[in-house]
Amino acid sequence: GDSVTQTEGQVALSEEDFLTIHCNYSASGYPALFWYVQYPGEGPQFLFRASRDKEKGSSRGFEATYNKEATSFHLQKASVQESDSAVYYCALRGSALGRLHFGAGTQLIVIP
Amino acid sequence: EAAVTQSPRNKVAVTGGKVTLSCNQTNNHNNMYWYRQDTGHGLRLIHYSYGAGSTEKGDIPDGYKASRPSQENFSLILELATPSQTSVYFCASGDALGGPYAEQFFGPGTRLTVL
Repeated sequence: GDSVTQTEGQVALSEEDFLTIHCNYSASGYPALFWYVQYPGEGPQFLFRASRDKEKGSSRGFEATYNKEATSFHLQKASVQESDSAVYYCALRGSALGRLHFGAGTQLIVIP
Repeated sequence: EAAVTQSPRNKVAVTGGKVTLSCNQTNNHNNMYWYRQDTGHGLRLIHYSYGAGSTEKGDIPDGYKASRPSQENFSLILELATPSQTSVYFCASGDALGGPYAEQFFGPGTRLTVL
């Protein structure tokens, strides 16, 4: 079945560091790929999506490129801020009626 | 602005008791979802619905029932609560017309503790 594997556990960075959170997926065809972000005490919220090979999704300085050959959708940001501290989820949907499949989540801690 | 609300926000229940978690959305979305969130597991789908009167089993439905009496409301029911159901529960809604690219809008969550 469809599944998502992302960087496990926590990532701790200093402000202005470069961020990469790895996301790899397993699904047939061309699933839609998503990143969600969850701030403390809140529900997850949509960050951005991509739906075809080599498409770049982006929002709030974060970006990820759909790579079908590598089955990846890695989240990157050039210069993180303390306010980016949150849990980040990679997700996929394989079809219109299909459900979202979430990865386990990666907690980003940015040290000022 | 999309809005999904959940009640209660916090709940303490006893083992064997019945618990009902409620969700309301004002987005006029057809699809609604219940997830639980546990450390190391991320978000796991319990039940979902394509519209009023419909409920579908997700990945971990055992011990849970769902009810969708209207477009706006979706409830999660624990008939006999157990300590293993202690978790944070999230409701979400999504626009079916958006197809596979539609985002989901999440509520603020309900923290359930079963003693």
